[in-house]
Amino acid sequence: NAGVMQNPRHLVRRRGQEARLRCSPMKGHSHVYWYRQLPEEGLKFMVYLQKENIIDESGMPKERFSAEFPKEGPSILRIQQVVRGDSAAYFCASSPGQGMDEQFFGPGTRLTVL
Amino acid sequence: AQRVTQPEKLLSVFKGAPVELKCNYSYSGSPELFWYVQYSRQRLQLLLRHISRESIKGFTADLNKGETSFHLKKPFAQEEDSAMYYCALRATSGTYKYIFGTGTRLKVLA
Repeated sequence: NAGVMQNPRHLVRRRGQEARLRCSPMKGHSHVYWYRQLPEEGLKFMVYLQKENIIDESGMPKERFSAEFPKEGPSILRIQQVVRGDSAAYFCASSPGQGMDEQFFGPGTRLTVL
Repeated sequence: AQRVTQPEKLLSVFKGAPVELKCNYSYSGSPELFWYVQYSRQRLQLLLRHISRESIKGFTADLNKGETSFHLKKPFAQEEDSAMYYCALRATSGTYKYIFGTGTRLKVLA
């Protein structure tokens, strides 16, 4: 089991462009969480998804950010019209189920907006 | 409000010295507390969870509900313990999302 995969590991975008971050959960895991880490801060929860469903998006900015976890393929975090303040490390975690299951983290995608 | 506070950004100790990384939390209910560690160029990984009451790599952490603390301790630090340590709280209902502290960088000096 390769663990949680995220790609790309590094992404550079200019202001106004779109950023797409991918997360492939561990085999057998159907729950995905996205977290954002701004410089000098801890990881902050953004969104929790199960296959084809957004369960909790209370940590997502209201505009420009969206997430999906389709039936087939990876989970995608999409940021439209990026701004410099979006520069951060974005981490994905997966778990086999909800509740007390451990969340396993991916290596993160570092987004830099020029 | 749900919050995790790690007051120290950086903690430097000498090899063989005791280590205590502080963590305080604020949560209305009975949370689950964790310590995660991130070694250089590696992903975040679980070190300890309070419900398991284990000692991992010589580290222990006791949940003190009266003081709302979950400090991480090790009696004798090793150089390989140098890493970023994050304390995290997880709600025991709802969506079980984590709330992380800002992290403490531990440097163990030779």
